[in-house]
Amino acid sequence: NAGVTQTPKFQVLKTGQSMTLQCAQDMNHNSMYWYRQDPGMGLRLIYYSASEGTTDKGEVPNGYNVSRLNKREFSLRLESAAPSQTSVYFCAMVGTVNTEAFFGQGTRLTVV
Amino acid sequence: GDSVTQMEGPVTLSEEAFLTINCTYTATGYPSLFWYVQYPGEGLQLLLKATKADDKGSNKGFEATYRKETTSFHLEKGSVQVSDSAVYFCALSAGTGNQFYFGTGTSLTVIP
Repeated sequence: NAGVTQTPKFQVLKTGQSMTLQCAQDMNHNSMYWYRQDPGMGLRLIYYSASEGTTDKGEVPNGYNVSRLNKREFSLRLESAAPSQTSVYFCAMVGTVNTEAFFGQGTRLTVV
Repeated sequence: GDSVTQMEGPVTLSEEAFLTINCTYTATGYPSLFWYVQYPGEGLQLLLKATKADDKGSNKGFEATYRKETTSFHLEKGSVQVSDSAVYFCALSAGTGNQFYFGTGTSLTVIP
């Protein structure tokens, strides 16, 4: 998964706490994504950013905010974590139309 | 809207058995189609892709053919190995912002 770096790899939060998941890419691609992966649900798109300065909601945006700080970085913020947000979060990037997506290693988040 | 439906698992096969994982899609335009593989504890890696009708993607002994008439992109391998044990995701990319849509994933276990 060279090219996409996610931090942290693991995190445990208490209900109501906030945190930001970081994602950075070094391939100068325009489009970046945040997905969550849950058993039996596949990957569900939370937010995406087609280019620097733009963000759009995906399938499951409630409870999350994002920021495309520059072309390289795309962060995901949980303002008030809930147990339903326990999941594995993946950041991905895509270069041009219909080329493949490159994924980070994931962040395993547990909210207790 | 665009979507991907893939065969539910889990699938358990003996080494050297033939593998088929079914994938069908719904898309309004002319999507590109992908198979991704996820090994335990890792992010998703591209396995193969096809960008237009009748294209065949192949990699590491896996193959899939883009069939527009049946809106399918089934994954096949003639002889599986223990090292092929992983979760396989079918995906499509179409539309503005290069949105990716994933199936729910199929877990494959290959036993010696």
